[in-house]
Amino acid sequence: KAGVTQTPRYLIKTRGQQVTLSCSPISGHRSVSWYQQTPGQGLQFLFEYFSETQRNKGNFPGRFSGRQFSNSRSEMNVSTLELGDSALYLCASRPDRVETQYFGPGTRLLVL
Amino acid sequence: AQSVAQPEDQVNVAEGNPLTVKCTYSVSGNPYLFWYVQYPNRGLQFLLKYITGDNLVKGSYGFEAEFNKSQTSFHLKKPSALVSDSALYFCAVRLEVYGQNFVFGPGTRLSVLP
Repeated sequence: KAGVTQTPRYLIKTRGQQVTLSCSPISGHRSVSWYQQTPGQGLQFLFEYFSETQRNKGNFPGRFSGRQFSNSRSEMNVSTLELGDSALYLCASRPDRVETQYFGPGTRLLVL
Repeated sequence: AQSVAQPEDQVNVAEGNPLTVKCTYSVSGNPYLFWYVQYPNRGLQFLLKYITGDNLVKGSYGFEAEFNKSQTSFHLKKPSALVSDSALYFCAVRLEVYGQNFVFGPGTRLSVLP
């Protein structure tokens, strides 16, 4: 099976812009989670989607949002970008009733 | 609230020597515990997990970890380190409750010296 894919891999934006990141889970996986990774804060949970519904949400401002489509692909959106949003954004998928998450390669976002 | 601590930012070990990367956790309930590894410019790669059963868990690439409930620890070990094991290692915990999210530790950078 193909692994988790994320597009784009690299992105440069300026403050105030918005960005949309995409994640395609492993085929058959209905759960998709998003994480932000920074050197200072480590890996922080953003949200989890399951069957198009947000099942869990981390402690991030409302500028961070996501959605999941019927084919389990997921997108996350960050509006009004700030310098501190520069990070590696990781997506992970997992099968139903299995605890192991499988991560994509990430999207590295740089906000100038 | 769940939390994970990895008390060492950096672990250095000589190639061929045994390695240990430490992890302690705090949860109010039964934990599911995981180890992931991250190589430069890559996502996280699953190594092993403890869900239930035998406290000694064996995983990928010769790694193993021991779940110790009384000490709330889940240390990662390998009998003989390889230079290629050099990477960033993350411990993670999730509660045995539907809908709970994963909490990751801050990571430990392992350097295996030739």
